[in-house]
Amino acid sequence: KAGVTQTPRYLIKTRGQQVTLSCSPISGHRSVSWYQQTPGQGLQFLFEYFSETQRNKGNFPGRFSGRQFSNSRSEMNVSTLELGDSALYLCASGPLAGGGDTQYFGPGTRLTVL
Amino acid sequence: GNSVTQMEGPVTLSEEAFLTINCTYTATGYPSLFWYVQYPGEGLQLLLKATKADDKGSNKGFEATYRKETTSFHLEKGSVQVSDSAVYFCALGSNDYKLSFGAGTTVTVRA
Repeated sequence: KAGVTQTPRYLIKTRGQQVTLSCSPISGHRSVSWYQQTPGQGLQFLFEYFSETQRNKGNFPGRFSGRQFSNSRSEMNVSTLELGDSALYLCASGPLAGGGDTQYFGPGTRLTVL
Repeated sequence: GNSVTQMEGPVTLSEEAFLTINCTYTATGYPSLFWYVQYPGEGLQLLLKATKADDKGSNKGFEATYRKETTSFHLEKGSVQVSDSAVYFCALGSNDYKLSFGAGTTVTVRA
């Protein structure tokens, strides 16, 4: 089975721009989560989707948004980029509906904001 | 809320040494516990997990036991190799549909 795929792998943007990141979960997985990883803050939860419904959202400003499509693929969008948004953005998918289930991570998208 | 406290690194060891990384947690209810590993330039890989008290997760020579009485999930490996050099994350999953991570421990194994 193919793993979680994320595109693009690398992105360079300038302040004020917006960006969209894409995630394709493992086939059959319906839960998709997003995390931001930075050296200073570590791994922080952004949001989780299951069957196109957002079930939880982390403590991030409204500039960060996401959605999930009927085929379980997910996108996250960051508008009005700030320098502090530079990070590795990780997507994870899970096979079950319950909280606390195993999450399988993709390789991440490295976003650099100049 | 849920939280994970993980032993701070970095940790530097010689090949064949014993590795322990301490992890304790705070949670309501009955969380699942995980260890993930991250190699340079990559995402997180699931190393092992345990879903209830006294469960022992194991994989690639690594072990961790879910101890509810001490709210701990310490990672151990009896004989490390250079290829075990990576960042290790302890994580907790509960009914809020997210993983709460520790800060990560960087492990370097010297030949």
